[in-house]
Amino acid sequence: DVKVTQSSRYLVKRTGEKVFLECVQDMDHENMFWYRQDPGLGLRLIYFSYDVKMKEKGDIPEGYSVSREKKERFSLILESASTNQTSMYLCASSSWGGKAQYFGPGTRLTVL
Amino acid sequence: KNEVEQSPQNLTAQEGEFITINCSYSVGISALHWLQQHPGGGIVSLFMLSSGKKKHGRLIATINIQEKHSSLHITASHPRDSAVYICAAHRIGNEKLTFGTGTRLTIIP
Repeated sequence: DVKVTQSSRYLVKRTGEKVFLECVQDMDHENMFWYRQDPGLGLRLIYFSYDVKMKEKGDIPEGYSVSREKKERFSLILESASTNQTSMYLCASSSWGGKAQYFGPGTRLTVL
Repeated sequence: KNEVEQSPQNLTAQEGEFITINCSYSVGISALHWLQQHPGGGIVSLFMLSSGKKKHGRLIATINIQEKHSSLHITASHPRDSAVYICAAHRIGNEKLTFGTGTRLTIIP
């Protein structure tokens, strides 16, 4: 079975802190995605990576950066966390060619 | 207007009822996905379809490419079916998904 794991289920940070969210997949997928999910807004794509060191901005990249140094690992970085970044963050992966995405369990981030 | 629209946004039904959730999209797609998210849980892919109909247990997904419309049906609904159901469109030539805002289904015993 495909497994996508995320480093934390719950995280509480202070405004201005640097926050790292990590995602690991074990199926050698080329594509990895970071989303945030907010009530009434659904899932919105923050960043997408289609290969090691390759990334593409999604719909809401402002305030975020990403890193993909290894194929299995995709990190989301909040350089200076703000309260409006309080949200559920979901990572997903898929193989190339419009295939199904497999999601991690999510990280509920609260920024105080 | 969103590229992927779902209806209804919320649906409450009695156990045993036949459930239909609708999804309309306005872009050309290579595939349409139906996803399920339980409260506090991750998202699970239920179906990926590009034509016709797929069935898995009590769940049935259909798609009409000409009308740009898909439906998810649940027969003999059960309280454990209570979840948010999300449709998502894979645009032609694009690895990214465009998501609907989800339908929150509650099945009352």
